[in-house]
Amino acid sequence: AQSVTQLDSQVPVFEEAPVELRCNYSSSVSVYLFWYVQYPNQGLQLLLKYLSGSTLVKGINGFEAEFNKSQTSFHLRKPSVHISDTAEYFCAVREATGGGNKLTFGTGTQLKVEL
Amino acid sequence: SQTIHQWPATLVQPVGSPLSLECTVEGTSNPNLYWYRQAAGRGLQLLFYSVGIGQISSEVPQNLSASRPQDRQFILSSKKLLLSDSGFYLCAWGRRLNTEAFFGQGTRLTVV
Repeated sequence: AQSVTQLDSQVPVFEEAPVELRCNYSSSVSVYLFWYVQYPNQGLQLLLKYLSGSTLVKGINGFEAEFNKSQTSFHLRKPSVHISDTAEYFCAVREATGGGNKLTFGTGTQLKVEL
Repeated sequence: SQTIHQWPATLVQPVGSPLSLECTVEGTSNPNLYWYRQAAGRGLQLLFYSVGIGQISSEVPQNLSASRPQDRQFILSSKKLLLSDSGFYLCAWGRRLNTEAFFGQGTRLTVV
């Protein structure tokens, strides 16, 4: 079984500042990793995913994440945030083989961008 | 292109009343289908998933049930709602050999 830990429940940041949202996972098998974003009262939208290959993954809206196998982390970063980035961000993991697309999610990080 | 429809968007139901939430997927066939619940501060919890018509797997024991009467239709039900059933319910689908899941817009259920 897999588990995901997002230690920061809320991250306040000023507009145009950089941000990092932390995600650590636990699994006994190889995994795929994902970041989703959720705007208020909406579904989840995929930001980016790591399947294999380059450990630095670029996604939509200027976000990127780096897979670190030794530290079992997949932190999300953006060099300069905008007000419109205010949302909740979820890290998720699934088994690389089998697993039936079952995603295990972290508890989410609320990113609040302030002027 | 594929789309997923989930309705209603919001629902207020009294304790003890029945529940039926519907989700349909268009533009694909034989998808994996999922129901997740999102409670405040608790992330997303997988409730049910289905790999085919009539095939339902329950991830956690609860007051809810799911059914898949057609290939692209997934229904979440309850005979008698509890206060603890309140939350944001999300339907999702995924391709068999693909990796990510695609989510509907969700249903905000408030049990009063």
